[in-house]
Amino acid sequence: EAGVTQFPSHSVIEKGQTVTLRCDPISGHDNLYWYRRVMGKEIKFLLHFVKESKQDESGMPNNRFLAERTGGTYSTLKVQPAELEDSGVYFCASRHAGETQYFGPGTRLLVL
Amino acid sequence: QKEVEQDPGPLSVPEGAIVSLNCTYSNSAFQYFMWYRQYSRKGPELLMYTYSSGNKEDGRFTAQVDKSSKYISLFIRDSQPSDSATYLCAMSLGGSQGNLIFGKGTKLSVKP
Repeated sequence: EAGVTQFPSHSVIEKGQTVTLRCDPISGHDNLYWYRRVMGKEIKFLLHFVKESKQDESGMPNNRFLAERTGGTYSTLKVQPAELEDSGVYFCASRHAGETQYFGPGTRLLVL
Repeated sequence: QKEVEQDPGPLSVPEGAIVSLNCTYSNSAFQYFMWYRQYSRKGPELLMYTYSSGNKEDGRFTAQVDKSSKYISLFIRDSQPSDSATYLCAMSLGGSQGNLIFGKGTKLSVKP
């Protein structure tokens, strides 16, 4: 069974540009989460989808971040416009109801 | 006060040693406790998962949860160089509030 996949693995952009991160969860997992780790800090929750609905987006830092999960399958996280402090590793995780979360390898974002 | 405190290390031990990793937390409502292992430039990989208080053993790994002290531990017996990684504790309230709260992670190095 394929695990959680994320694309791209790395992204280097300039301040003010737009970047879109993609996450493909494990097949059949209705729950999808986005997390972020900035350098020197712990991994922090961003938001949680159940199927295509946002269950909890309390961790989203500001309105420059937009997450979507059309059709309840893959999800995208768009940062527009990117700022320097958005640099970090963005992780996606998915889980089946009643089970634990499985993480993807992350997307390393560097904003210059 | 951070919700989850974890000593970041680094921790260096000789091969074969018993390793003890710990986290403390402040929110007594946490019900689910997890340990993740993260190798360099990879995503967190679930090691152990415990609901409420008690011990859980899986091979060389033992997870302990003491809810009265708000303290969780991970023990690794007969440590191997392949155990060298960052170990992250995580916890959640569960249910619809399934997002994970992470510690900063402890970097472990097991020397041959």
